[in-house]
Amino acid sequence: DTGVSQDPRHKITKRGQNVTFRCDPISEHNRLYWYRQTLGQGPEFLTYFQNEAQLEKSRLLSDRFSAERPKGSFSTLEIQRTEQGDSAMYLCASSRWNTEAFFGQGTRLTVV
Amino acid sequence: SQQGEEDPQALSIQEGENATMNCSYKTSINNLQWYRQNSGRGLVHLILIRSNEREKHSGRLRVTLDTSKKSSSLLITASRAADTASYFCATDTSADGLTFGKGTHLIIQP
Repeated sequence: DTGVSQDPRHKITKRGQNVTFRCDPISEHNRLYWYRQTLGQGPEFLTYFQNEAQLEKSRLLSDRFSAERPKGSFSTLEIQRTEQGDSAMYLCASSRWNTEAFFGQGTRLTVV
Repeated sequence: SQQGEEDPQALSIQEGENATMNCSYKTSINNLQWYRQNSGRGLVHLILIRSNEREKHSGRLRVTLDTSKKSSSLLITASRAADTASYFCATDTSADGLTFGKGTHLIIQP
C-alpha cells in the first residue's frame, strides 16, 4: 500500500501521560501536515513540514505539542502531559508542492 | 490558523437537486481544494483548482475560483443520497501550508 499510514489507530491514555504518534507519508511527497479534528469540526491545523524543515506551527498549540520529521521521511507528533481536552482524532496528510493532499486514517486519542 | 470559511454551515436539499457551497478566504493562495468527509470516516479529496484557473469540472462537480473576491464555489449537480457528507474547502498558501474551513454539512433528502 502506498498511501499515508498512521500508527497507532487508537490510543487510550491517562491524563498526564505522554503520547507519540507516527505518520509515514507517501514516499515522493515532500510536504507533511498534522491536524486535529473533533466531532462536527473541520481539521484544525497543527503544523507542517517541507522536507525536514518545520515551516509553520499553529499559534493555538501549547508547548506540550512537538513534532519532528527526521531526514524528511516519517514524522512523529508528541503530546506531553496529556489533558482531557486533547482527546480528538489526529490526522496526517502529505503532498507535493501545489498538488492534492492525501490523508491517513488518523489516530484517535482518548484521554481518561 | 484557519483561512477558509464555508457557507452555508448546513444545507438540506431533495435528491436530484443541485447543491452549491461557497468558500471565502483571506490571503493569496497557491491553490484551493475541496474535500468530502462522510460521518466517522476519513477525508477524501474531490478537486483542486490552482490560482491561475477559474473553473474546473470533475464528473458531477464544478468548482469556480474568483481570486479578486477571494472566493470559490462547489456545485454538485443531480445530487444523490450518497452525497450526504461534510464538505470542506482548504487553501494552500506558501506561508501557512494547507488550512481548512469548518465545513458545510450537506443532507440529501430521498
